[in-house]
Amino acid sequence: AQSVTQLGSHVSVSEGALVLLRCNYSSSVPPYLFWYVQYPNQGLQLLLKYTTGATLVKGINGFEAEFKKSETSFHLTKPSAHMSDAAEYFCAVSERGGSNYKLTFGKGTLLTVNP
Amino acid sequence: NAGVTQTPKFQVLKTGQSMTLQCAQDMNHEYMSWYRQDPGMGLRLIHYSVGAGITDQGEVPNGYNVSRSTTEDFPLRLLSAAPSQTSVYFCASSYSRTGISYEQYFGPGTRLTVT
Repeated sequence: AQSVTQLGSHVSVSEGALVLLRCNYSSSVPPYLFWYVQYPNQGLQLLLKYTTGATLVKGINGFEAEFKKSETSFHLTKPSAHMSDAAEYFCAVSERGGSNYKLTFGKGTLLTVNP
Repeated sequence: NAGVTQTPKFQVLKTGQSMTLQCAQDMNHEYMSWYRQDPGMGLRLIHYSVGAGITDQGEVPNGYNVSRSTTEDFPLRLLSAAPSQTSVYFCASSYSRTGISYEQYFGPGTRLTVT
């Protein structure tokens, strides 16, 4: 069974600082990888995903993530945090093959941005 | 397109009551699913469907029933509500093709409290 580990349930950064949210997966075959964002009292919105090809993936709102097979990681970064980035971020995976629609989520990382 | 809609937004139930959470999508997506979100637990898959008349269990199906008579609708039924079912419930949908990972679209959620 796949699993996703997000290191750090709460990350706090200053406005303008680098954002780094960590995600590691456990799967015998590299899965599809996703980052979702959830703003307060809203549903989830896709930030970016990795399926195949270039391992550095760019998403919306200036976020990007790099798939590293050797480290089984898919960390999310943004060079300069904005106040509007404050939200909860979820890493998720789905298996390649028949059940590629079933998502397994990490427990989430709450990002706080301080002025 | 309205996307994925969920009703109601909020609901309070007494232990033992039953109710149905509604989910509808207007994007002609084959795949629909229900997740529950609990603090510190991320999102966990309850039930899913890959098309009208086809449903299956996810990670936490106990206490919930689903059916899918149309492509558009995927209601979630709580047969006898328990306090452990207090949670935020999200419905999601996407296309479903082997070998292709499509974005999943999430509804705004239903916040359920069972007393």
